[in-house]
Amino acid sequence: AQKVTQTQTSISVMEKTTVTMDCVYETRDSSYFLFWYKQTASGEIVFLIRQDSYKKENATEGHYSLNFQKPKSSIGLIITATQIEDSAVYFCAMREVITGNTGKLIFGLGTTLQVQP
Amino acid sequence: GGIITQTPKFLIGQEGQKLTLKCQQNFNHDTMYWYRQDSGKGLRLIYYSITENDLQKGDLSEGYDASREKKSSFSLTVTSAQKNEMAVFLCASTSSGTGGGQNTLYFGAGTRLSVL
Repeated sequence: AQKVTQTQTSISVMEKTTVTMDCVYETRDSSYFLFWYKQTASGEIVFLIRQDSYKKENATEGHYSLNFQKPKSSIGLIITATQIEDSAVYFCAMREVITGNTGKLIFGLGTTLQVQP
Repeated sequence: GGIITQTPKFLIGQEGQKLTLKCQQNFNHDTMYWYRQDSGKGLRLIYYSITENDLQKGDLSEGYDASREKKSSFSLTVTSAQKNEMAVFLCASTSSGTGGGQNTLYFGAGTRLSVL
């Protein structure tokens, strides 16, 4: 079965620094998709960034980027120049195919990020 | 862009009560999902629907029913609320096309359930 593991329960950093959140996954699929989502204090879950396994380049989106290490089954999220508003819970997820073009997401347990002023 | 609207935002029920949660999306997405979020257990899939009138059980379907009468809406029913149950129910949707769009889920703001 597919599995997503986030070993860091919580991280605290100073504002304007760079933080990396770890995520490792297990899959038998040759092609797969990995995601990072952010859950704010209000509970809203927002899509941040995606990595397609067949792409060698690390995905970037604003001040988010990914460190995709396929041989290690690892997809780290890097946030540069952190801001107070980045304080949230970050979830790593992997798409599992249900049928045809339909998939569901398997989530890790999340990493709580606190950005201090 | 689009939005997913979940109602109600807060739901307080009594033990044994049947409770219904509603979800509407205007992305024109084909596939919709209901996830449950418990503290320390992450998000777990309850039900999903590939198209109107389709229903598929997820990993946590026991104790729940679902309904997809229109493409834009997906309802979830807790058939018998359990005493002291507390969880957040999250609705999500995605397209079923090709090109990668079908891979990204978009979430509603959630319904917070408390059972007295």
